[in-house]
Amino acid sequence: LAKTTQPISMDSYEGQEVNITCSHNNIATNDYITWYQQFPSQGPRFIIQGYKTKVTNEVASLFIPADRKSSTLSLPRVSLSDTAVYYCLVGETSSGGSYIPTFGRGTSLIVHP
Amino acid sequence: DTAVSQTPKYLVTQMGNDKSIKCEQNLGHDTMYWYKQDSKKFLKIMFSYNNKELIINETVPNRFSPKSPDKAHLNLHINSLELGDSAVYFCASSPPTSGNTIYFGEGSWLTVV
Repeated sequence: LAKTTQPISMDSYEGQEVNITCSHNNIATNDYITWYQQFPSQGPRFIIQGYKTKVTNEVASLFIPADRKSSTLSLPRVSLSDTAVYYCLVGETSSGGSYIPTFGRGTSLIVHP
Repeated sequence: DTAVSQTPKYLVTQMGNDKSIKCEQNLGHDTMYWYKQDSKKFLKIMFSYNNKELIINETVPNRFSPKSPDKAHLNLHINSLELGDSAVYFCASSPPTSGNTIYFGEGSWLTVV
């Protein structure tokens, strides 16, 4: 079964680049890697998704090495409003063959002034 | 318009009571989920329905019973509430295959006293 591991917490300062790495050693061949952001009192929301190599959007970049056993979310020039919990998501397959979107335990990022 | 809406947002109730949380999505998705988030921010999947059919039931006590009257709704009924049921419950929806974004509701804060 796929299982993800990510740091529990990270601290940064405004204007810095933040990189959060998630390991997923048993990721399935056809599975994507998705990252979510969660603010207090809100539901998680999609940030970025990738399958391999590098993906970039207006919010973040996602780096995935060739073996796909890990991925790194990169947040450029963070601001105070980027303080949130960041989750890495891959899938697991149930005994019945269903795809189960499974979250890691999340990384609590605190951005300091 | 809210894509995934759930009610109530806050619920305080006594042990032993029965309560329900309702969820509706207007995204036209086939798949809906219930996730439970504990005090340590761990997001654990509870149930998944695809077109009103249960496809994932992840070792959740029988006191929890999801009901999907149609593919736009997935309600969660909880019998005989216990202190340990206190958590945030998130409803979500997505297209059914892997690699698709999951859209979350804002959460329902359940406190059992």
